[in-house]
Amino acid sequence: GNSVTQMEGPVTLSEEAFLTINCTYTATGYPSLFWYVQYPGEGLQLLLKATKADDKGSNKGFEATYRKETTSFHLEKGSVQVSDSAVYFCALSDQWGGGSNYKLTFGKGTLLTVNP
Amino acid sequence: SQTIHQWPATLVQPVGSPLSLECTVEGTSNPNLYWYRQAAGRGLQLLFYSVGIGQISSEVPQNLSASRPQDRQFILSSKKLLLSDSGFYLCAWSPPSGEQYFGPGTRLTVL
Repeated sequence: GNSVTQMEGPVTLSEEAFLTINCTYTATGYPSLFWYVQYPGEGLQLLLKATKADDKGSNKGFEATYRKETTSFHLEKGSVQVSDSAVYFCALSDQWGGGSNYKLTFGKGTLLTVNP
Repeated sequence: SQTIHQWPATLVQPVGSPLSLECTVEGTSNPNLYWYRQAAGRGLQLLFYSVGIGQISSEVPQNLSASRPQDRQFILSSKKLLLSDSGFYLCAWSPPSGEQYFGPGTRLTVL
């Protein structure tokens, strides 16, 4: 079956540091890939997505590139802020039953703490 | 634009009591709907999903059930809560493109 593996952390950085959170996946077919962010006590928010190989998703200074050859979708940000402290989830979308039915497979999440 | 609501936001219930959590979506029609549980330690477990009114699929056998009485309403229920049912319950909807959008969640504590 499909699976997503991401570095579990926790990751602790100083403000303005460079961030990388690694994510690799195993899937049949050509899934879409996502990064979600969860702030304390809240639901998950879609951060960015990529739907095919070599696509780059970007949002709020974060970016990730869909690398089919390495089955990876690493999240990066050039300069993190304290407000980026959250849990980050990598996920892939698996189509089932034909039509427009999808289920997401999530990684276990990576806790990021950014100190001032 | 689409919005998703969950209530209540927080719930404390005794063991053996019933449960009803509600999720509603606005601004879209015929969405796929999902219930997840997130226990301490962050991982997400898919509990139920629905592709239409009255159509429910269960991912794991457990003490919970789900219903979809209306197109944009998804309800999570239990007849008798267990301690192990404590957690953060998240509802989500998805458009045909496959990404999912999550509600704010319900924090359930069973004592």
